[in-house]
Amino acid sequence: DAGVIQSPRHEVTEMGQEVTLRCKPISGHNSLFWYRQTMMRGLELLIYFNNNVPIDDSGMPEDRFSAKMPNASFSTLKIQPSEPRDSAVYFCASSLDSRGTFGSGTRLTVV
Amino acid sequence: GESVGLHLPTLSVQEGDNSIINCAYSNSASDYFIWYKQESGKGPQFIIDIRSNMDKRQGQRVTVLLNKTVKHLSLQIAATQPGDSAVYFCAENTWEYGNKLVFGAGTILRVKS
Repeated sequence: DAGVIQSPRHEVTEMGQEVTLRCKPISGHNSLFWYRQTMMRGLELLIYFNNNVPIDDSGMPEDRFSAKMPNASFSTLKIQPSEPRDSAVYFCASSLDSRGTFGSGTRLTVV
Repeated sequence: GESVGLHLPTLSVQEGDNSIINCAYSNSASDYFIWYKQESGKGPQFIIDIRSNMDKRQGQRVTVLLNKTVKHLSLQIAATQPGDSAVYFCAENTWEYGNKLVFGAGTILRVKS
C-alpha cells in the first residue's frame, strides 16, 4: 500500500489566493482527518470524516476553510482567501479504527 | 506583541541508554492511547498503542506503560539509537470522540552519539 498520499508537498501562494490541498486515504479506511501543525499550537485537528460524511468540524478556524470528501478515495481542504497566518504544515490521516496513518503533509507558505 | 511558540520538553540521552518519555492525558474516560514518532519533515508515524484494560504493552525495543489512576502514560525505548531522535506524541481516544484522536504537545528526544 502506498499509504496516505498528499499533494502538493509544498505550496507557496500570495495572500488572498485560493489554496487547495489534496489527500488520498488508504484504501479501505473509513475515517479521514485533516490536521494543521504549527510551532504556536502544535498538532490541531481541523475536521474529520467518517464514511465520507463530516462528523466534527469544530477545529476549522473560520469560514475561509472548507473541506470536502466526495468519495472514499479523495478529500480536499480549501482555504479561500488565504492569509499569512495560515502558513503551516497540513496533514491528512486515515484510519479504519482509531489508529490513524498520516501522510507526509503539505507545507503551506502564504506570503 | 511578541509571539510565543510551544515550548516542548526535551530529553537528551546517550546512545545505548534507555529513554523514558512521559505524557499526562486529560480525559479520565479515554480508553485507547497511541504513541507516535515524528521525524523532521515527515508525518507522525505509529509506534505502539494500548487499551485501558492493560497496564503495559511491549513492542520491539519499546514499552508503553499506562497508569489510569494518575492519568499518565509513558514510552520506554530500550538501547536508544540515533535514529530514535524525533518528536514523540501521545494521543488519546474515547468512544465519545468516535475515531478522533486528541494529541499532546509532544516531547523532543535527542540522542547523543
